[in-house]
Amino acid sequence: EPEVTQTPSHQVTQMGQEVILRCVPISNHLYFYWYRQILGQKVEFLVSFYNNEISEKSEIFDDQFSVERPDGSNFTLKIRSTKLEDSAMYFCASMGTSGTSGYFGPGTRLTVL
Amino acid sequence: EDQVTQSPEALRLQEGESSSLNCSYTVSGLRGLFWYRQDPGKGPEFLFTLYSAGEEKEKERLKATLTKKESFLHITAPKPEDSATYLCAVQALGGATNKLIFGTGTLLAVQP
Repeated sequence: EPEVTQTPSHQVTQMGQEVILRCVPISNHLYFYWYRQILGQKVEFLVSFYNNEISEKSEIFDDQFSVERPDGSNFTLKIRSTKLEDSAMYFCASMGTSGTSGYFGPGTRLTVL
Repeated sequence: EDQVTQSPEALRLQEGESSSLNCSYTVSGLRGLFWYRQDPGKGPEFLFTLYSAGEEKEKERLKATLTKKESFLHITAPKPEDSATYLCAVQALGGATNKLIFGTGTLLAVQP
């Protein structure tokens, strides 16, 4: 069974600090995503990444956010200066070329104090 | 604007009591409709993708169906371990990214 992994599982940070969330997508997938879910709310699209560049981003994904695929396996989400409202579960997901199934990681719970 | 509405918000069933969850969608063109299961504090677990009206897919006690405006997730003789939030998401045609637009989910509780 293919698996997306994420680290850390829980990150606590102070407002204004930078955080980096890490993901290892499924190895032969080509589309990579970050979604977030604020407690009690729906899963929201943040950004998609294809062919080593951002292919689409939502209104939430402002200049405080950035993504990188620094090597052939990792995919990272950086928040430069965290705000209280960034507290949420962040999910990494990946899809193959057919886009027929989207596999999600277990999530990183980000708590901004 | 592409939208997904799920109903009911919450559903409580007795073990063995079959029922259906609804997902209504509005999308410019449907590429795929996805069903996921989400346990508390965990990531969505992929269940099915449906592509065209009339299509059906099954997995154990779950069967998903699709029409031009909605999808149903039928749960036959549920067990307590089926308790979870079930999420529906759509993928629009023409998008370069295959992103998913989610509904708010149906919280299912199956009592023994």
